[in-house]
Amino acid sequence: QVQLVQSGAEVKKPGASIKVSCKASGYSFTDHYIHWVRQAPGQGLEWVGWINPDSGDTKYAQKFQDRVTMTRDTSVNSAYMELNRLTSDDTAVYYCSRGSQSKFWGQGTLVTV
Amino acid sequence: DIQMTQSPSSLSASVGDRVTIACRASQGISNYLVWLQQKPGKAPKSLIFGASNLQSGVPSRFSGSGSGTDFTLTISNLQPEDFATYYCQQHKTYPLTFGGGTKVEMK
Repeated sequence: QVQLVQSGAEVKKPGASIKVSCKASGYSFTDHYIHWVRQAPGQGLEWVGWINPDSGDTKYAQKFQDRVTMTRDTSVNSAYMELNRLTSDDTAVYYCSRGSQSKFWGQGTLVTV
Repeated sequence: DIQMTQSPSSLSASVGDRVTIACRASQGISNYLVWLQQKPGKAPKSLIFGASNLQSGVPSRFSGSGSGTDFTLTISNLQPEDFATYYCQQHKTYPLTFGGGTKVEMK
């Protein structure tokens, strides 16, 4: 069955960086884009961007354009999202999901700044 | 960016009730709409794709309708496990955007 398993919770200081991983299983990793979505405490869902695991191409939401980098490692079926220059506004649960229809989601990674 | 507006933001209902949640897009998105259910502390779960197609394993009491700019999620015969927050999401264009959510609470 399709699974997306994310790395564990992290606590960071303002100005630091975070790198969250998302390991895929149960399907061909390179066949579907991986999206990253975040949710601040008590708030709604916000799209961060996507990575094409096959080509490595990426697309980011404009507000994160200069602070986020998405990468992948096809040898371990994993996608990564790195966010730099963290502020308290970046405190959120970060999710990876498969495809733009959001059919499968990771369990979420709480990042506390 | 396409704005997604959900209404109401919250509602109170009883087990067995029929519940309807509306979602409006700021511009036409054809049927590029999904509905998600989220329970506290959990990841969202996909219920409906293509505006009206039930995901595998989702109970048939959930249904979706609409096209273009106006969409509806209906839960008939509300069950205890349905108390949750529901989001619509468009995937017609990037950035992907979500409605603000509708919290379905027990009356």
